[in-house]
Amino acid sequence: EVYLVESGGAVVQPGGSLRLSCAASGFVFSDYTMHWVRQTPVKGLEWVSLISRDGGHTHYADSVRARFTISRDNSKNSLFLQMSGLKSEDAGLYYCAKGGRGISGVIDPWGQGTLVSVSS
Amino acid sequence: QTVLRQPPSASGTPGQRVTISCSGSSSNIGSNYVNWYKVLPGKAPKVVIYIDNERPSGVPDRFSGSKSGTSASLAISGLQPEDEADYYCATLDGSLTGPWVFGGGTKLTVL
Repeated sequence: EVYLVESGGAVVQPGGSLRLSCAASGFVFSDYTMHWVRQTPVKGLEWVSLISRDGGHTHYADSVRARFTISRDNSKNSLFLQMSGLKSEDAGLYYCAKGGRGISGVIDPWGQGTLVSVSS
Repeated sequence: QTVLRQPPSASGTPGQRVTISCSGSSSNIGSNYVNWYKVLPGKAPKVVIYIDNERPSGVPDRFSGSKSGTSASLAISGLQPEDEADYYCATLDGSLTGPWVFGGGTKLTVL
């Protein structure tokens, strides 16, 4: 069974930085694209970023491009999201999710999420 | 502005059939598969329909998906209380620099 466990969520001031992590198990991590998706009260589910199997290709939503960086460590079955220049609208529940072998595969399953709050 | 438009709410009584629509454009629904997700408070989102009309194992056959042109629909027949949740459509969009996009979500209430 696939398990995805996010961590790193916290309360951070506007303009601050945070690094989220996701520990994966139950599948061959290096064979799959991985995603970050967030849930906010205003927008609901919002796709944030994806990274290809080998980490060589990344994509970002316009709302986070140039502020967030996705990465992965296939030797440790781990996914990361480095967030900087945080804004109030970045607050929400951040999910790590498994994708397909390419970027177009269905995004599922998801972890339980880690909560990011942005407040002074 | 949401690229994929869903009604904010829908409702039905137990046993009824309800449909939730997802309206897009030629760059997203018109040229890519649509997936549907069920979101319960405090729970991880779960796919209930993928590739327009495929049901994952474990999802009741009361759930079905369809697509026509630039619109997609999720139908739930024989509505059950446990179907009350938020539902989101999702697809790829070739006009965006970030490939994936979600709809705004529909809150389904079982009366």
